[in-house]
Amino acid sequence: QVQLQQSGAELAKPGSSVKISCKASGYTFTSYDISWIKQTTGQGLEYIGYINTGSGGTYYNEKFKGKATLTVDKSSSTAFMQLSSLTPEDTAVYYCAREEGGFAYWGQGTLVTVSS
Amino acid sequence: DIQMTQSPASLSASLGETVTIECRASEDIYNGLAWYQQKPGKSPQLLIYNANSLHTGVPSRFSGSGSGTQYSLKINSLQSEDVASYFCQQYYNYTWTFGGGTKLELK
Repeated sequence: QVQLQQSGAELAKPGSSVKISCKASGYTFTSYDISWIKQTTGQGLEYIGYINTGSGGTYYNEKFKGKATLTVDKSSSTAFMQLSSLTPEDTAVYYCAREEGGFAYWGQGTLVTVSS
Repeated sequence: DIQMTQSPASLSASLGETVTIECRASEDIYNGLAWYQQKPGKSPQLLIYNANSLHTGVPSRFSGSGSGTQYSLKINSLQSEDVASYFCQQYYNYTWTFGGGTKLELK
């Protein structure tokens, strides 16, 4: 069965970076893009962008350009998202997801907390 | 960017009741709409895609309808396990935006 397994919670200091991972299993990894989504209590769900897992090509929501960098390691069927220059506003749960007529598959979420 | 306005923000209903949640897009999204259910501490779960198609394994008491800019999710015969937050999401023309969510509680 399709599974997206994300890395664990992160506590980071303002100005630093974090890199979270999303390991896919149960399907041919390079056949589907992986998207990333941010969830906060105040702003709800926000779409960050996606990576074409075959070509490595990326699309970013304008709001997250310069904040998020998406990469992929095909050999391990893993997608990554690096968040840079962290501020308290980046505190959120981040999800990876696979689209199939809507986002049919989601990771379990990674909580990123930015605090000094 | 396409904006999604979801209503109501919260809703209280009784077991067995029929519930409707609405979403309005800022422009025509040509049925590129999905609905999700999210329970506390869990990831969102896809219920409906393409405005009215039921995702595999979703109970038939959930249904979606609409076109153009106006869409709705209906839950027939509300069950206790339906207490959750619900989100709409548009995916027209390689853009993706979520509604603000509806928190459904039991009366």
